[in-house]
Amino acid sequence: DTGVSQDPRHKITKRGQNVTFRCDPISEHNRLYWYRQTLGQGPEFLTYFQNEAQLEKSRLLSDRFSAERPKGSFSTLEIQRTEQGDSAMYLCASSLEGYNQPQHFGDGTRLSIL
Amino acid sequence: GNSVTQMEGPVTLSEEAFLTINCTYTATGYPSLFWYVQYPGEGLQLLLKATKADDKGSNKGFEATYRKETTSFHLEKGSVQVSDSAVYFCALSDQKVTGTASKLTFGTGTRLQVTL
Repeated sequence: DTGVSQDPRHKITKRGQNVTFRCDPISEHNRLYWYRQTLGQGPEFLTYFQNEAQLEKSRLLSDRFSAERPKGSFSTLEIQRTEQGDSAMYLCASSLEGYNQPQHFGDGTRLSIL
Repeated sequence: GNSVTQMEGPVTLSEEAFLTINCTYTATGYPSLFWYVQYPGEGLQLLLKATKADDKGSNKGFEATYRKETTSFHLEKGSVQVSDSAVYFCALSDQKVTGTASKLTFGTGTRLQVTL
């Protein structure tokens, strides 16, 4: 069990550019979650996958955001035409299927928009 | 909708002092409750959980009891150490239907600073 891995740890980009983050969950976990955390706040839910199916998306996930989990393993989160307000820590978590299985979090990707 | 309210920090304590971090919640169903801890430069780690009323979660000397009548899940530790300095997040998961996402709703976090 190597834990949830996120890449990159930090991303600095100019406003208007596209960025993509990757998350590798714990290998036997079929549920994968994305959250966003801004300074001084708790994480906020963005979206959720069970295997390769994206089953729920938050209203926070605007049309500029897209997430995929093509083979039910790793996931990517892409932000198009980044804006200043997208600056945040993007957290990935994974869990086993089942009632109230605990979510295991990665260290996050910190996005800074210049 | 669901929400979690935590006491504001930072909380500053001397080593070996007693710790309480208050957490109250609002939920439409019967949520499970969690405490997560975030050490500097690291991701969130699950500290403890309770899945039904009157359950007590415990780990590493920390405890929290699920109080349905007061909708609370306060975190306590009898004697804190410098190594406990971190940000603590209370969270709930309200999975009403099997197979739906157990997404977490978090509080804003409480920073704990423990000094010698």
